[in-house]
Amino acid sequence: DTGVSQDPRHKITKRGQNVTFRCDPISEHNRLYWYRQTLGQGPEFLTYFQNEAQLEKSRLLSDRFSAERPKGSFSTLEIQRTEQGDSAMYLCASSLATSGGTDTQYFGPGTRLTVL
Amino acid sequence: GIQVEQSPPDLILQEGANSTLRCNFSDSVNNLQWFHQNPWGQLINLFYIPSGTKQNGRLSATTVATERYSLLYISSSQTTDSGVYFCAVLRSNFGNEKLTFGTGTRLTIIP
Repeated sequence: DTGVSQDPRHKITKRGQNVTFRCDPISEHNRLYWYRQTLGQGPEFLTYFQNEAQLEKSRLLSDRFSAERPKGSFSTLEIQRTEQGDSAMYLCASSLATSGGTDTQYFGPGTRLTVL
Repeated sequence: GIQVEQSPPDLILQEGANSTLRCNFSDSVNNLQWFHQNPWGQLINLFYIPSGTKQNGRLSATTVATERYSLLYISSSQTTDSGVYFCAVLRSNFGNEKLTFGTGTRLTIIP
């Protein structure tokens, strides 16, 4: 069990550019989540997948953001036309959904995005 | 949506001291997790504790679900305990599986 991994760990980009982040969940986990954390705040939910289906999206996820999990394994989060307000830590988590109960979410190390 | 409040916001202690961190939440929950965020930003799972009491070494946690609060106890603090502690809750509702985080308690342990 290698844990949740994210790539890249750091990304610096200029305003207006597109960026894409990748998350690899724990191998047997069927749920995958994206959160965003700004300085001094707790993480905020963006979206989540069960297998390849995107089941919920936050109002924080504007139309410049898109997430995919095409084969139910890794996921990508793309931000188009980045703005300075997008600067944050982007966290991925995964869990194993079990019938009749909620499950523990395990977080990756995050991707820190800086938009200049 | 559900509200999560943590107290105190900041805590500074000498090495060896004990501490209690509190998490209050506004509605019944199906999941409650405590995390430690290290200086590099990694969220480390401490406890999955929607109710009851658990212990892991110098750390223990208690959730009283009927009164909508949870406590995290750290005994014999070490400098490596420094960081931000988050409580996060989940109220599973028609496929809503998101964790809602509090604003955290920043713990600083002084040698």
